[in-house]
Amino acid sequence: GNSVTQMEGPVTLSEEAFLTINCTYTATGYPSLFWYVQYPGEGLQLLLKATKADDKGSNKGFEATYRKETTSFHLEKGSVQVSDSAVYFCALSDKGGGADGLTFGKGTHLIIQP
Amino acid sequence: EPEVTQTPSHQVTQMGQEVILRCVPISNHLYFYWYRQILGQKVEFLVSFYNNEISEKSEIFDDQFSVERPDGSNFTLKIRSTKLEDSAMYFCASSEAREGGGGYFGPGTRLTVT
Repeated sequence: GNSVTQMEGPVTLSEEAFLTINCTYTATGYPSLFWYVQYPGEGLQLLLKATKADDKGSNKGFEATYRKETTSFHLEKGSVQVSDSAVYFCALSDKGGGADGLTFGKGTHLIIQP
Repeated sequence: EPEVTQTPSHQVTQMGQEVILRCVPISNHLYFYWYRQILGQKVEFLVSFYNNEISEKSEIFDDQFSVERPDGSNFTLKIRSTKLEDSAMYFCASSEAREGGGGYFGPGTRLTVT
């Protein structure tokens, strides 16, 4: 079956540091890939997505590239801010879209210190 | 900005009792979903719902669970006879279409079964 593996947290960085959160996946076929972010007390918010190989998703300074050859979708940001502190979830779906049949990673808690 | 809302934010119930978790999806959305996250574990897909019927469900979604859209705005998840292992955060999500990917998630209801 499908699975997503992402780096365990918490990840603690200083403000303006470079961020990478690793995500690798196992799936049959060609899934769509997602990053969600969850701020304290809030729901999961779609951060970015990519639907086919070599696509790059980007939003709010975050980027991730769909790498079929390495089955990866690593999240990066060049300069993090305290407000980026949250839990980040990598996910995939082979169900065509929406929020249907998403397979999530365990989440990575990111802490940004001033 | 439109959002998915869920009530209650926290529900405590005794084993064997029935619970109903409520969600109000975004008003023009047509696809609805329930996910759950047991503490310390991954977010797991339960069910998707479209056109007043279940379109997909996972192995977790057994006969103890049911979903309903009782009116034009609410989407509910019922657990008929709760078990200790049903304790989790339950997330509702909705999307306008099945294509495109991602969906919008609510803040979750924390269910505690004692």
